[in-house]
Amino acid sequence: GQNIDQPTEMTATEGAIVQINCTYQTSGFNGLFWYQQHAGEAPTFLSYNVLDGLEEKGRFSSFLSRSKGYSYLLLKELQMKDSASYLCAVVSWGKLQFGAGTQVVVTP
Amino acid sequence: ETGVTQTPRHLVMGMTNKKSLKCEQHLGHNAMYWYKQSAKKPLELMFVYSLEERVENNSVPSRFSPECPNSSHLFLHLHTLQPEDSALYLCASSQNREEQLFFGSGTQLSVL
Repeated sequence: GQNIDQPTEMTATEGAIVQINCTYQTSGFNGLFWYQQHAGEAPTFLSYNVLDGLEEKGRFSSFLSRSKGYSYLLLKELQMKDSASYLCAVVSWGKLQFGAGTQVVVTP
Repeated sequence: ETGVTQTPRHLVMGMTNKKSLKCEQHLGHNAMYWYKQSAKKPLELMFVYSLEERVENNSVPSRFSPECPNSSHLFLHLHTLQPEDSALYLCASSQNREEQLFFGSGTQLSVL
């Protein structure tokens, strides 16, 4: 089976930086996705990592260490609109398995 | 517009009702999925269709019955549901399996 862990909730102020960690235990690893989901809306794609290292995309960056079974999503220069749930998903054996999501609350 | 549309957005049904959820993707993808999302829990994969053939059925109760008449449409037929089935049901598609998922906005289902 697979085990994907991420914190339940994180709070940060506007303009700050927040790092959301995701650890996983799985076999047949084929990549890791991060999705953003606002309340009542569809999850939307943020990033995909298959090799070790950092992928930067504007204010958002994602890091992967396959040997450690670890990824993080870094959100910089936080804005109020970044308040959402962030889902980590591991690709393994032909399917995506999701973590429970991290609710990020951005305060003024 | 995400390219994946789901109807209805909200559904309230009694335990003896029969209803269907509909999903349509306009992206030319080969794979379509049903996920269940309950509060504070991970997204649960229910069914996967690849090129209109069901390739995954994750021990879902028979009161949920999927149908994929063509590569653009996916249905989830519901009957004699239980209150614990109340959740957000998300449809998704991808070009191929293991690739990026594109989600619909979901159907918020309440079973009374």
